[in-house]
Amino acid sequence: ETGVTQTPRHLVMGMTNKKSLKCEQHLGHNAMYWYKQSAKKPLELMFVYNFKEQTENNSVPSRFSPECPNSSHLFLHLHTLQPEDSALYLCASSQGQQGQETQYFGPGTRLLVL
Amino acid sequence: AQKVTQAQTEISVVEKEDVTLDCVYETRDTTYYLFWYKQPPSGELVFLIRRNSFDEQNEISGRYSWNFQKSTSSFNFTITASQVVDSAVYFCALTRGYQKVTFGTGTKLQVIP
Repeated sequence: ETGVTQTPRHLVMGMTNKKSLKCEQHLGHNAMYWYKQSAKKPLELMFVYNFKEQTENNSVPSRFSPECPNSSHLFLHLHTLQPEDSALYLCASSQGQQGQETQYFGPGTRLLVL
Repeated sequence: AQKVTQAQTEISVVEKEDVTLDCVYETRDTTYYLFWYKQPPSGELVFLIRRNSFDEQNEISGRYSWNFQKSTSSFNFTITASQVVDSAVYFCALTRGYQKVTFGTGTKLQVIP
């Protein structure tokens, strides 16, 4: 089974829609991350969860709402997004939150906001 | 502050050529960790290597090799005898302990058959 899975792989939504991205890790890790990858820009860390507790919110607009019900699952709830939010959203997990821990990534959800 | 620079935006090579991807980093810390990831067109970032700042020994893994030089703050990645399957975007990244990972902007490698 793939270590980190993400659904859906592709999503098109209007600015008034509400949708959710799902991430699941099968590696027994305790930390999970959401990243945003836009064209020509470095990966932007959005949120970090460690043992289900949010430990970092990197000044992300409130139209992005994360949820971590357990160490294996991470959601990103989307509402009233803007076209500039179109990007590849990547989920990652690591054993712990220490920086030297290797992060393992999912395949991403490619989001298009119309 | 920490920073990772990948000056090469795109590189094209012909299959079987060797290619080196450059990575230059900035950090004030003496303890830090460096990573390389590969992102094929499918989107998933694939972990390639992690290196801590105390281990300057170069590493070779099959056709891949990494040259870590603290004196020049560089952590370069060489692919020997490139193959079409090596076509991807490659990211260099840096972190220092409990801090978040800083990624470079990536180098897109195209291997032409």
